[in-house]
Amino acid sequence: DAGITQSPRHKVTETGTPVTLRCHQTENHRYMYWYRQDPGHGLRLIHYSYGVKDTDKGEVSDGYSVSRSKTEDFLLTLESATSSQTSVYFCAISATGGGSPLHFGNGTRLTVT
Amino acid sequence: AQSVTQLDSQVPVFEEAPVELRCNYSSSVSVYLFWYVQYPNQGLQLLLKYLSGSTLVKGINGFEAEFNKSQTSFHLRKPSVHISDTAEYFCAVSALSGSARQLTFGSGTQLTVLP
Repeated sequence: DAGITQSPRHKVTETGTPVTLRCHQTENHRYMYWYRQDPGHGLRLIHYSYGVKDTDKGEVSDGYSVSRSKTEDFLLTLESATSSQTSVYFCAISATGGGSPLHFGNGTRLTVT
Repeated sequence: AQSVTQLDSQVPVFEEAPVELRCNYSSSVSVYLFWYVQYPNQGLQLLLKYLSGSTLVKGINGFEAEFNKSQTSFHLRKPSVHISDTAEYFCAVSALSGSARQLTFGSGTQLTVLP
């Protein structure tokens, strides 16, 4: 498995609280991504990064922010969690912007009550 | 913009039978195509990919897929499935243009192999 660690693996939080999910990689890959997985929707891209401090929005970015201060870490923050953000969140990495495949972490299951 | 349609949300099949999981895509530019598999409580793993060249690509665990440009399809096949193939399968497309490759996924097909 590619060296990708997501933390925490599980989290339960209350509506309105801030939440930060962490993705840490040991592969020195340039590209990092955050996806959410929901039944019937597959995986949808939230945000991605193409270098340190270089990030951009995906198709479902509302309510989320990201930061990448180091190559190895990509943080996803929910500023004020809502029940609609209950989901499984996956981090992925990729070496290049070409045809190299994504390598996924094992996911973080977030429940917002 | 690009999109992916997986035509079957669930596919039950008996062990040792052949299976085909269907995937159609839409894109205004040339694309790369991928199939990923997800086992319970795990992340996605790459099964196979089409970048260019031969339209028939072979992947891990005996799976193969055929790229059909005229039908904009990339169906996944296996001639004889095993119980261990039970998992969710995702088709994905990535456009060749743009500064960062964004992968668009289909909604997934749950393959259940029955004894």
